[in-house]
Amino acid sequence: GAGVSQSPSNKVTEKGKDVELRCDPISGHTALYWYRQRLGQGLEFLIYFQGNSAPDKSGLPSDRFSAERTGESVSTLTIQRTQQEDSAVYLCASSLGVASYEQYFGPGTRLTVT
Amino acid sequence: AQSVTQLGSHVSVSEGALVLLRCNYSSSVPPYLFWYVQYPNQGLQLLLKYTSAATLVKGINGFEAEFKKSETSFHLTKPSAHMSDAAEYFCAVSRDSSYKLIFGSGTRLLVRP
Repeated sequence: GAGVSQSPSNKVTEKGKDVELRCDPISGHTALYWYRQRLGQGLEFLIYFQGNSAPDKSGLPSDRFSAERTGESVSTLTIQRTQQEDSAVYLCASSLGVASYEQYFGPGTRLTVT
Repeated sequence: AQSVTQLGSHVSVSEGALVLLRCNYSSSVPPYLFWYVQYPNQGLQLLLKYTSAATLVKGINGFEAEFKKSETSFHLTKPSAHMSDAAEYFCAVSRDSSYKLIFGSGTRLLVRP
């Protein structure tokens, strides 16, 4: 079946603009995670959803970052008033359930803020 | 709090040589441990996972890892490196209620002909 998809694959934006990043999880996966990977670094957890609720938003770096999820499907990560330090690859992952251990990752969205 | 340390940001081996990528973790509860691989311009792929069953875990592409509680380690090994193994490898730990993954900083494996 289809894997996790993300769009756009690449996004270049000017400092101060808002951006929306989209994630389509694997069908039937109730848990969805967002991570950020800065150049040369490991992945940082941002937020996770169980269904359409977000019990853990502890990784969101500032109030410029927000995310929502419609039912148990698409999720959107929004970054307002982008800054150069927001440049990174944003990865989405989904799993059958929160305790199902295995997360399947999408290809990521590479965000460049100029 | 949980954390992961990967020793060596770059590891270089000859084709056919043993691959050893090191991972140490810190966790106040029994951890779940993972190794992921990231090929150039691709997403992360799960290599193997430890979830409190057998301490020696076999994964895809001939990789395996051993959970050693006394050493708080979960090193990744492969007996004989192939050129196609060149990639970045990430160790991760999970165990809190959200099961979010805490990643190490990654190790880039270079395979010399």
